[in-house]
Amino acid sequence: QVQLAESGGGVVQPGRSLRLSCAASGFTLSSFGMHWVRQAPGKGLEWVAIIWSGEIDKFYADSVKDRFTISRDNSKNTVYLQMNSLRAEDTAVYYCAREMFYYDSNDHRDVEAFDIWGQGTMVTVSS
Amino acid sequence: SSELTQDPAVSVALGQTVTITCQGDSLRTSYASWYQQKSGQAPLLLIYGKNNRPSGIPDRFSGSTSGNTASLTITGAQAEDEADYHCNSRDTTIKPVVFGGGTKLTVL
Repeated sequence: QVQLAESGGGVVQPGRSLRLSCAASGFTLSSFGMHWVRQAPGKGLEWVAIIWSGEIDKFYADSVKDRFTISRDNSKNTVYLQMNSLRAEDTAVYYCAREMFYYDSNDHRDVEAFDIWGQGTMVTVSS
Repeated sequence: SSELTQDPAVSVALGQTVTITCQGDSLRTSYASWYQQKSGQAPLLLIYGKNNRPSGIPDRFSGSTSGNTASLTITGAQAEDEADYHCNSRDTTIKPVVFGGGTKLTVL
């Protein structure tokens, strides 16, 4: 069964760090781009970070750049999100998601979709 | 702020048809994908590409695109369709992925 399972969330004080994990089962994580997406209470989805299958390329939202680091351990089939210098505005449910991407040559358009999502892990930043 | 624009809330009578839209510059070069999110649950992929549904998604859900606007249509809305609906797409400008703000669908 193809699935993702996040862990590592919790309550943390502003300025502290937390590391989230996303364990994959039923597929080889290293073959896919993997994303972190977050959702603040009562808000929409916000894209956070991606690590592409080649692992060299990583990209971050401006709101987390230089504070968050995405990484992958292929031997554990797990992707991580290291979150440093946490702020109150980082409070959210954090989801990891598997990327499906291809180019539709008939219509000359990219197709970007997140076909597998974890159940999410809650991060609360509060003093 | 979101780079894709969605109406915050839409309502539909049971059994009727409703269209939810998603607008943004990235949609000129990238298809939108659509997700359904029920309360307390993770998002679920509904539509991707021109109009593709993953296995298990009912055929009352369909997608279309025109210019910079993508649409999700539910034909014959059911009570269980009451949820939040999100769109996203690839964005080749500022960051790889953009999301809309989400649309809350109420089935009356």
